[in-house]
This record gives sequence, structure tokens and C-alpha cells, in this order.
Amino acid sequence: NAGVMQNPRHLVRRRGQEARLRCSPMKGHSHVYWYRQLPEEGLKFMVYLQKENIIDESGMPKERFSAEFPKEGPSILRIQQVVRGDSAAYFCASSLVATNEKLFFGSGTQLSVL
Amino acid sequence: AQSVTQPDIHITVSEGASLELRCNYSYGATPYLFWYVQSPGQGLQLLLKYFSGDTLVQGIKGFEAEFKRSQSSFNLRKPSVHWSDAAEYFCAVGTGAGSYQLTFGKGTKLSVIP
Repeated sequence: NAGVMQNPRHLVRRRGQEARLRCSPMKGHSHVYWYRQLPEEGLKFMVYLQKENIIDESGMPKERFSAEFPKEGPSILRIQQVVRGDSAAYFCASSLVATNEKLFFGSGTQLSVL
Repeated sequence: AQSVTQPDIHITVSEGASLELRCNYSYGATPYLFWYVQSPGQGLQLLLKYFSGDTLVQGIKGFEAEFKRSQSSFNLRKPSVHWSDAAEYFCAVGTGAGSYQLTFGKGTKLSVIP
């Protein structure tokens, strides 16, 4: 029973390029959460999605960032026109129901912007 | 808004020694409290959690934590550290039943000397 799968593990982009981060939740989980960890900071909530719906995007930067969780396929966190300040570890978590009591985290994607 | 402070960025202990990692939180009501561990290249794994009841909580891998409301603390302890415990440890707070967000501390990196 595979856990939460994130890919790629490492992603290098030049300033101005687009970054696409993928997250496949645990089997049977329809709730996905994205967190960002900036250098020397704790993980910070970005967005919560259910299948085909964004439930809470209160932690998402207002520009350049978007997320989706289509009916089929993984959840995607998309960052357009990346800047150096976007360099961070991006973690995805999933759950069976909307709760923080039983979250399963992926290994994260380390984004480096040159 | 809730917050979490982990005062120690990096701790080094000898194998077999006892361990205590500190965590202080700020939240107006009774919080949900969590400790996660992240080993290199791995996702965050839940060690233990406190919701209510007995203030001393047992977790996996021989860890325990004690909730002290008067001190707003939830320190993690282990009586005898193993080399495999070397990892980064995150304390997190949730805002109670029905919530799905977690607020994380900045983490404490544990090094173990053989």
C-alpha cells in the first residue's frame, strides 16, 4: 500500500520558468493538503483540495501559484514565473476525511530556483 | 492565531543518553498537539498526538510527550536514544475537532554520537 507519492524529488528551475509539482495521495484518500517549508522555517499550510475542488487556499500566495486536484490523476501545485524566493521544500499530505488528526505526508519536492 | 516555538535548532546527544525536545505553543483553547519526525529523504511521520485526557502520551519508537497546560508546553522525551533516531523533529498544533490545518514549529535537528 503505497504512501503519499510526490515527484519530482528535486526540481531545478531558472528564474521566470514554470514549476509543476505532483502529489498522488494514498489510495482511497480524497483530501489533499500542500505545505511549504522555507529555509529555516516550519511547514506552512498553503492549500486544501478535495477532488476537483479547492476548499481552502488561504495560505497560497496571491499571484503565480495555483493548485488543482482533478478527478483523475495527481494533485498539481503550479508555480509560474518562479523567483529565488520560491526555493523551498513543498510537502503534500493526504487524509481519508477532512482532518488534521491523521495526515499522511509525502517526502516532499525540493525546488531550487537559480 | 496559533503558533509553535521549538527553541532548540540543533541538539546533539550520545547514543544511550536521554532526550528531551522542547515545544511551546500559543493557542487560546485546548489545542491538538502533534510530534512528527522527518528522516533524511523521507516524509514526515507521526510520532504521537494529544487531543484530550491523560497528559502523558505514548508514541511509536519509544517516544513520549507530556502536555503541560500551565506552561503551554508539549515536550518530547525518550529515555535512551538510538543512532537511528537522528532526524529532524517537528512539533505542530491544530485547533481542535473539525480542523484540518496544522501550524508547525521550525523543527529541531537531532544528531546522535555513537
